[in-house]
Amino acid sequence: GQNIDQPTEMTATEGAIVQINCTYQTSGFNGLFWYQQHAGEAPTFLSYNVLDGLEEKGRFSSFLSRSKGYSYLLLKELQMKDSASYLCAALSGGYQKVTFGTGTKLQVIP
Amino acid sequence: DTEVTQTPKHLVMGMTNKKSLKCEQHMGHRAMYWYKQKAKKPPELMFVYSYEKLSINESVPSRFSPECPNSSLLNLHLHALQPEDSALYLCASSQAGRMNTEAFFGQGTRLTVV
Repeated sequence: GQNIDQPTEMTATEGAIVQINCTYQTSGFNGLFWYQQHAGEAPTFLSYNVLDGLEEKGRFSSFLSRSKGYSYLLLKELQMKDSASYLCAALSGGYQKVTFGTGTKLQVIP
Repeated sequence: DTEVTQTPKHLVMGMTNKKSLKCEQHMGHRAMYWYKQKAKKPPELMFVYSYEKLSINESVPSRFSPECPNSSLLNLHLHALQPEDSALYLCASSQAGRMNTEAFFGQGTRLTVV
């Protein structure tokens, strides 16, 4: 089965750092994606982790611990345009099945 | 070209209608997906096609019928839908058979069943 959990909502201040956590229990786990989705738009790819550790990409970093079934997305120097939903998604089942978590709605305030 | 194009963008259909959603990509991706997304919920996987063959069906009702006529196109045929089927339908594609690959999403078709 698949179970992927994230906080429902978070609020952070412009210019600050925010960490969005994701815990997962997935059979046949291969790796973990993070996607950003603005209201009414399609999800856009942010990162993909397959090995344990931190991967940094500009203002966004993503961390994975396979043994703990845990990941987080770190957003630095927050901007107002970062207000969106952030979805973690587990890849399993022969590299084909992408199952999304519940999503975290982030609101960035001035 | 890193686009996945979905048509139509919006669709309103009656419960007795038959309609089709279309998805097209020219990135050479051999895995294509249909997702359903209700408001304020994450996308839910419906179907996966790999090399033009249906590889995953997430117990989707038969009133939804997918079709992959070639490696660039993916259709979703709709018949006798219910109002609760109203949602955003997202198509995605990725390179098949590779572990480190992102899925590119189309902008979706917003479907309303009346």
